[in-house]
Amino acid sequence: DAGVIQSPRHEVTEMGQEVTLRCKPISGHDYLFWYRQTMMRGLELLIYFNNNVPIDDSGMPEDRFSAKMPNASFSTLKIQPSEPRDSAVYFCASSFLGPSSYNEQFFGPGTRLTVL
Amino acid sequence: LAKTTQPISMDSYEGQEVNITCSHNNIATNDYITWYQQFPSQGPRFIIQGYKTKVTNEVASLFIPADRKSSTLSLPRVSLSDTAVYYCLVGAAGTASKLTFGTGTRLQVTL
Repeated sequence: DAGVIQSPRHEVTEMGQEVTLRCKPISGHDYLFWYRQTMMRGLELLIYFNNNVPIDDSGMPEDRFSAKMPNASFSTLKIQPSEPRDSAVYFCASSFLGPSSYNEQFFGPGTRLTVL
Repeated sequence: LAKTTQPISMDSYEGQEVNITCSHNNIATNDYITWYQQFPSQGPRFIIQGYKTKVTNEVASLFIPADRKSSTLSLPRVSLSDTAVYYCLVGAAGTASKLTFGTGTRLQVTL
């Protein structure tokens, strides 16, 4: 298995533009997580899905952020409109079991987003 | 939500044993304790997970006292390649939980 795949690896955009980040989880994993990492706040969970259904989106910072999982092999995180404070590394992770049990999450390489 | 506290940074020489302690005073009954390792420009990587007492795998040991209010990650005989950030993660029972890695412990291993 190729592991969790994220695209693009780097994204530079201007304030106000729409940004879409993509993730392909490991096949057979029922859980998918989106994280954001910054120097100030560390690694924060934004949202996670179980069997394509969003379970907890309490970490999504505001309405400008949205996430979807149309099928078991694909998820997107969209920011519209983007702002400079959204600049961060965004990680996608997947796991076989959920966060309430023995849970090894496999992380993708991340997308480094820069909003000018 | 079980908040965790770790040292910001630690230094070690190659070949030494390194112990990183994490405090989690309000850990819930159903919470597991998990440690991840992150190298620069990479996503975190799972190291070990436990619920109580001691857990050991091929890369580390995890010691959890009876009250479970803290845990210690032990790395035997570290090498330069163990230089990374280590995160202690506690949680997360139930579906309305929030997983927070925090800022972790930056371990620097030198010769």
